Amino acid sequence: DAGVTQSPTHLIKTRGQQVTLRCSPKSGHDTVSWYQQALGQGPQFIFQYYEEEERQRGNFPDRFSGHQFPNYSSELNVNALLLGDSALYLCASSLNQGIHGYTFGSGTRLTVV
Amino acid sequence: AQKVTQAQTEISVVEKEDVTLDCVYETRDTTYYLFWYKQPPSGELVFLIRRNSFDEQNEISGRYSWNFQKSTSSFNFTITASQVVDSAVYFCALTPFGGSQGNLIFGKGTKLSVKP
Repeated sequence: DAGVTQSPTHLIKTRGQQVTLRCSPKSGHDTVSWYQQALGQGPQFIFQYYEEEERQRGNFPDRFSGHQFPNYSSELNVNALLLGDSALYLCASSLNQGIHGYTFGSGTRLTVV
Repeated sequence: AQKVTQAQTEISVVEKEDVTLDCVYETRDTTYYLFWYKQPPSGELVFLIRRNSFDEQNEISGRYSWNFQKSTSSFNFTITASQVVDSAVYFCALTPFGGSQGNLIFGKGTKLSVKP
């Protein structure tokens, strides 16, 4: 049973560029949440997608946007990249908005230069 | 406001020592969940335990045990007879019941190094 799959694992982008990160949830899960983890910090909630809609959002600017597809997979898009966007981006999947807990992927390490 | 504080940034122990990781939380919600996750160098957050605010019983799972005290807003994690494989960053997290369950609030983590 595959867990949460994220791609790519590593990515290097230049300031001002745009990036798309992808997440496939664990089999049977219908909810995807995205987190940003800066070096030496705990993960910070970006947003959650359920039934193809953004249900909750953390304190992140509009440059961060997302999408959920009918097969429950999800994308995180970041526009106009800043050096401060360099971080590990974690995807967590769950059933019905997390009532039974969350399964995390290994993340995408984004470096902005 | 909701907040999780893990005051210990780094802990280093020798194998077979017992170690306790502290977690203190703040919330105005009367019902909530508390979690512990382990993050090895690979980056994936590994679920260890979830505890709801109604249940203050301590829990033991093998070498791991958790002490939840609502009176002091603490949810501490003890590893007995630590092993090198326990080396990782450990995170405590909080989320309310109900509609905001997608929003896990994490502490900054405690890096545990277990030396042989």
